[in-house]
Amino acid sequence: EAQVTQNPRYLITVTGKKLTVTCSQNMNHEYMSWYRQDPGLGLRQIYYSMNVEVTDKGDVPEGYKVSRKEKRNFPLILESPSPNQTSLYFCASSQFPGTSGISRTDTQYFGPGTRLTVL
Amino acid sequence: EDKVVQSPLSLVVHEGDTVTLNCSYEVTNFRSLLWYKQEKKAPTFLFMLTSSGIEKKSGRLSSILDKKELFSILNITATQTGDSAVYLCAVGALSGNQFYFGTGTSLTVIP
Repeated sequence: EAQVTQNPRYLITVTGKKLTVTCSQNMNHEYMSWYRQDPGLGLRQIYYSMNVEVTDKGDVPEGYKVSRKEKRNFPLILESPSPNQTSLYFCASSQFPGTSGISRTDTQYFGPGTRLTVL
Repeated sequence: EDKVVQSPLSLVVHEGDTVTLNCSYEVTNFRSLLWYKQEKKAPTFLFMLTSSGIEKKSGRLSSILDKKELFSILNITATQTGDSAVYLCAVGALSGNQFYFGTGTSLTVIP
């Protein structure tokens, strides 16, 4: 089954304790992205990656790190979490154009979400 | 500043009603506009629009894009309680491959 998985699904932690949220997709998608969703603010893009070893900042990258060492995995790292990073986090993936001329598809497939609470 | 604005913020209707959800955008180097449905979990894809004036349809849902006026609408006819959800509009930008989401429209369909 084609899917994006995230772990953990729920996490309560304390300020300053480093954590990693994993994301994995089995669709061989080139493009992967992390979002946070907050009430009244909608989904905001944190980081995205267009392929292995290629990552770029989204709108709200401060306090986060990512890496893309393998095509299927795109972990989100919070080196020193703070309470303002309490949020619902989604990982997403999509295809990216190759050289065949096929239009890129922007349809993103989302993971189930990780609800993070930083005390 | 790139932004996507959805209206109304919330909507309560009765089963069988028709609703129109709005999405306007100001995004540099527009590439695509997407609609997603979110029911207390991950957003699921509904439509992707790239060209003006071409209606996309899926059952009771349809959507159209106006690239001149920078907006899109999502129509739902003969609403059902299962249509209750938050509907998200997102715009993809050519430069940087970023996506910008609106805050969503919360639709509640009452039996």
